Amino acid sequence: EAGVAQSPRYKIIEKRQSVAFWCNPISGHATLYWYQQILGQGPKLLIQFQNNGVVDDSQLPKDRFSAERLKGVDSTLKIQPAKLEDSAVYLCASSLMGGGTSYEQYFGPGTRLTVT
Amino acid sequence: KQEVTQIPAALSVPEGENLVLNCSFTDSAIYNLQWFRQDPGKGLTSLLLIQSSQREQTSGRLNASLDKSSGRSTLYIAASQPGDSATYLCAVRSGTYKYIFGTGTRLKVLA
Repeated sequence: EAGVAQSPRYKIIEKRQSVAFWCNPISGHATLYWYQQILGQGPKLLIQFQNNGVVDDSQLPKDRFSAERLKGVDSTLKIQPAKLEDSAVYLCASSLMGGGTSYEQYFGPGTRLTVT
Repeated sequence: KQEVTQIPAALSVPEGENLVLNCSFTDSAIYNLQWFRQDPGKGLTSLLLIQSSQREQTSGRLNASLDKSSGRSTLYIAASQPGDSATYLCAVRSGTYKYIFGTGTRLKVLA
């Protein structure tokens, strides 16, 4: 079974530029998560999709971050414009279900973003 | 608001030692708790998932326990090996259905 795929693995941009990350979840997984992990901290949920609907985006800085999951499969996370404090690893995860059920999350390798 | 704490932040032990990592959470009304391992520059690997109705889960040399009433979970690693060196994270899913992560314990097992 293929795991969660993410690209690119690394990205360096200057502040005020834009960047996009891509995630392909495990086949058949209805729930997709985007996390931000700053060095030395645990991952923080940015947005959670159930199929192609948003379940939780309460911690997504909506003035600069956007995400979509078309057709309930692949997802993209965009930052525009980037700030220095956006430097982090962006992790994508998926699970079979979400909501009140208790399925395991499976993570991709992450994208390391450096904003200079 | 759910808060998750992991103590200690870092741990260094000689090979072969049995060890315990701790995870505390403030809201006992949880759906489940998941332990992960993270190697440097890598994503997270799921180790064990404990449902709210369970007391413990075991996988190989790993055993995770859950005590909801006291808001605690422990990850027990038996006969530690240098390959166990990594950061261990716990994550709790509670009322809002999203997972809240601790800051992790960085483990180093010395050969």
